Amino acid sequence: AQKITQTQPGMFVQEKEAVTLDCTYDTSDPSYGLFWYKQPSSGEMIFLIYQGSYDQQNATEGRYSLNFQKARKSANLVISASQLGDSAMYFCAMREGLFQGAQKLVFGQGTRLTINP
Amino acid sequence: NAGVMQNPRHLVRRRGQEARLRCSPMKGHSHVYWYRQLPEEGLKFMVYLQKENIIDESGMPKERFSAEFPKEGPSILRIQQVVRGDSAAYFCASSPPSGSETQYFGPGTRLLVL
Repeated sequence: AQKITQTQPGMFVQEKEAVTLDCTYDTSDPSYGLFWYKQPSSGEMIFLIYQGSYDQQNATEGRYSLNFQKARKSANLVISASQLGDSAMYFCAMREGLFQGAQKLVFGQGTRLTINP
Repeated sequence: NAGVMQNPRHLVRRRGQEARLRCSPMKGHSHVYWYRQLPEEGLKFMVYLQKENIIDESGMPKERFSAEFPKEGPSILRIQQVVRGDSAAYFCASSPPSGSETQYFGPGTRLLVL
């Protein structure tokens, strides 16, 4: 079963608009963490934002925020005021068993975001 | 504070040769993870190591692949007798021993098997 689903293979957005990248997940573990990473064309993986399953508030990091809806098992990434440099692949990932020691991440297939000038 | 370092950044091998990929974790990090990314796909977990121990190798192919993280020196991912299907980007990530959830990734090694 797919643990992380990103249903948008590609998105095109005008510069300065806000954009939401969808991510749904599947787990029976009550403790888990959700991550978003950015992969520009140069290929590196850049950590953007993290949300723990027990966190009461949605995570925010600068222009990035995570719309965490636990009952729906969704963890959408919101980028406000998009910039040309935001054009990249974006991956949602999950780690289960938060309090059992560091463990592997499971990644979605990614969404390719293109910002148009 | 240097990030996760990987070398080489690009590696070309002919079928049947061996590939050795190196990863130096961030300073103070004792957990190392290896992931593989095929073209246009997400990353797939391969192996998780701590110093001198393999903790989880559930994502490693049963044959030809091995990994180590010795007491001194970088972590090594070794692929013996490479085949064309091994062509991929191999990423290393590290995290601190405190249980922090965030893994920080290196720049990756792009392996091309001719």
